[in-house]
Amino acid sequence: QVQLQQWGAGLLKPSETLSLTCAVYGGSFSGYYWSWIRQPPGKGLEWIGEINHSANTQYSPSLKSRVTISVDTSKKQFSLKLSSVTAADTGVYFCAGGVGADTYYYGMDVWGQGTTVTISS
Amino acid sequence: SYELTQPPSVSVSPGQTARITCSGDALPKQYAYWYQQKAGQVPVLVIYKDTERPSGIPGRFSGSSSGTTVTLTISGVQAEDEADYYCQSADSNFWVFGGGTKLTVL
Repeated sequence: QVQLQQWGAGLLKPSETLSLTCAVYGGSFSGYYWSWIRQPPGKGLEWIGEINHSANTQYSPSLKSRVTISVDTSKKQFSLKLSSVTAADTGVYFCAGGVGADTYYYGMDVWGQGTTVTISS
Repeated sequence: SYELTQPPSVSVSPGQTARITCSGDALPKQYAYWYQQKAGQVPVLVIYKDTERPSGIPGRFSGSSSGTTVTLTISGVQAEDEADYYCQSADSNFWVFGGGTKLTVL
């Protein structure tokens, strides 16, 4: 049973870089796509990007210029960096994982607990 | 940019059938996934690949697809099904979520 535990700074000033990490416990690290998703207060889910164990990444076109997702397979961790944050980046950030490969994907069936990030001067 | 369109809200009485739709131009070519998010909780996958149900998800949850619309159906709705529901699908190499539908159990 795969479980995710995430952590990172919860309060940032405008223009700083948001940094979050998600650790994978209890199961395989390869064979998954690892995603970051965020949810502004009172609003819906927004996909930020994903990475696999081979460090192949895909990013949301709207955030691509500010996002970096990386992976450390030795620690079974993946990380998110979002640069030049503004108040619009405030929200809950989730890490999530879904079994998949080039020709199949089974959806995000494991999620982290969420981290509330507030951007304020 | 690619969009998935969901109705903002659906209301049903207990025991009735709730249907939540999700529309998008690429849905005939791409699978859809559905998530349930109860207030203050983490999203849970309830349907994958249009119609498949993960283990542990009650049988009253089902999915279907027709053209540019996919539908999440909850048969015999229970009070515990009150939640926000999100569809997810792909546009080429990136994922998109629908805006979400609030299911209210009257």
